[in-house]
Amino acid sequence: QKEVEQDPGPLSVPEGAIVSLNCTYSNSAFQYFMWYRQYSRKGPELLMYTYSSGNKEDGRFTAQVDKSSKYISLFIRDSQPSDSATYLCATYNDYKLSFGAGTTVTVRA
Amino acid sequence: DGGITQSPKYLFRKEGQNVTLSCEQNLNHDAMYWYRQDPGQGLRLIYYSQIVNDFQKGDIAEGYSVSREKKESFPLTVTSAQKNPTAFYLCASSIDQSEQFFGPGTRLTVL
Repeated sequence: QKEVEQDPGPLSVPEGAIVSLNCTYSNSAFQYFMWYRQYSRKGPELLMYTYSSGNKEDGRFTAQVDKSSKYISLFIRDSQPSDSATYLCATYNDYKLSFGAGTTVTVRA
Repeated sequence: DGGITQSPKYLFRKEGQNVTLSCEQNLNHDAMYWYRQDPGQGLRLIYYSQIVNDFQKGDIAEGYSVSREKKESFPLTVTSAQKNPTAFYLCASSIDQSEQFFGPGTRLTVL
């Protein structure tokens, strides 16, 4: 079983829609959760970083962690064409990050 | 201007050839990492180094080698023993290990 599972999509939404991205993880010991955004042929950039359960908001982006169900989510409000990218969830344990496969999102103008 | 640089951006390798990918950072981070990214598989850890002159194997180290002689530099050699080296290679660094920052990547293609 993979440590982090993520639906690869792709996901296509109209401009202004809410984008909802989800991952599940297997190890209840995971405490740190991240979302990275990766534009085509570029390196990933850290978008959101959360510790333990709860919500974290940063502008149009909200990250949620539900440790009871081992579920992490990213919501993008008022989506823009510039949000078109691949979004990778990740968890941190010991020395390493474990990544989901990434979900490719296209926001249509 | 702080950051992580990787070179070259594109690299072509012939069968049986060793190639070395460069990774340099001026963020003063102690830890550095190498990942491989294949379509539909996310990122997989090849090697990591938490301090100069020390490094450990990640999940898919076979066919790869690294060195960490300087804090700023963590080169990755893809050897001829790596049977399927075509991939996008990403270097990262971090100051507290959980928050990792990535370079722009090197795309390696085997001819």
